[in-house]
Amino acid sequence: DQQVKQNSPSLSVQEGRISILNCDYTNSMFDYFLWYKKYPAEGPTFLISISSIKDKNEDGRFTVFLNKSAKHLSLHIVPSQPGDSAVYFCAASPLNSGGYQKVTFGTGTKLQVIP
Amino acid sequence: DSGVTQTPKHLITATGQRVTLRCSPRSGDLSVYWYQQSLDQGLQFLIQYYNGEERAKGNILERFSAQQFPDLHSELNLSSLELGDSALYFCASSQSGTNNEQFFGPGTRLTVL
Repeated sequence: DQQVKQNSPSLSVQEGRISILNCDYTNSMFDYFLWYKKYPAEGPTFLISISSIKDKNEDGRFTVFLNKSAKHLSLHIVPSQPGDSAVYFCAASPLNSGGYQKVTFGTGTKLQVIP
Repeated sequence: DSGVTQTPKHLITATGQRVTLRCSPRSGDLSVYWYQQSLDQGLQFLIQYYNGEERAKGNILERFSAQQFPDLHSELNLSSLELGDSALYFCASSQSGTNNEQFFGPGTRLTVL
């Protein structure tokens, strides 16, 4: 049972344009969401997060939007740069998890930014 | 460089064998997490330790076990290895156990022949 789904395994975008990566979740207990970026031969790197009390969080070129009613979040990268080419993982966890964090990751979306 | 170190980088072994993967968290981080990434799969959470104690368990097989030592480094033990255990194993650490961003190590690639 895949509780966090990234239905697009890959995405190609022209440099300078917007990249939109999507993520859906099924577990209504999730209320903290994260995006990680992963380059080949490296571990994932934290990018941005959002808690369920917000519907938007912005950090430079990266913005995450959360639609709780649709159980959907998206990551927008504007403008996209070739260095953004990587695999992006969406992740979710319950906020009040009693002092521990069980994070569920999606399967990832491979973004290619074309110069 | 995340500050999380994992050894070894690569490991090739045979079915039925036992291996130990090692992780040193970032300085000051008390929580350690282990993940498995099989081919074309997402990151599967295995287990979390916080300051030496097991805190959360995910899809970890009974053949696998882990521990966190007083110096906060952690080891993941995989025994009676099967071909399907071939994967990338990542360790991550965070300052506390609750919703801090996790810092990932470079991973250990395990190949079971």
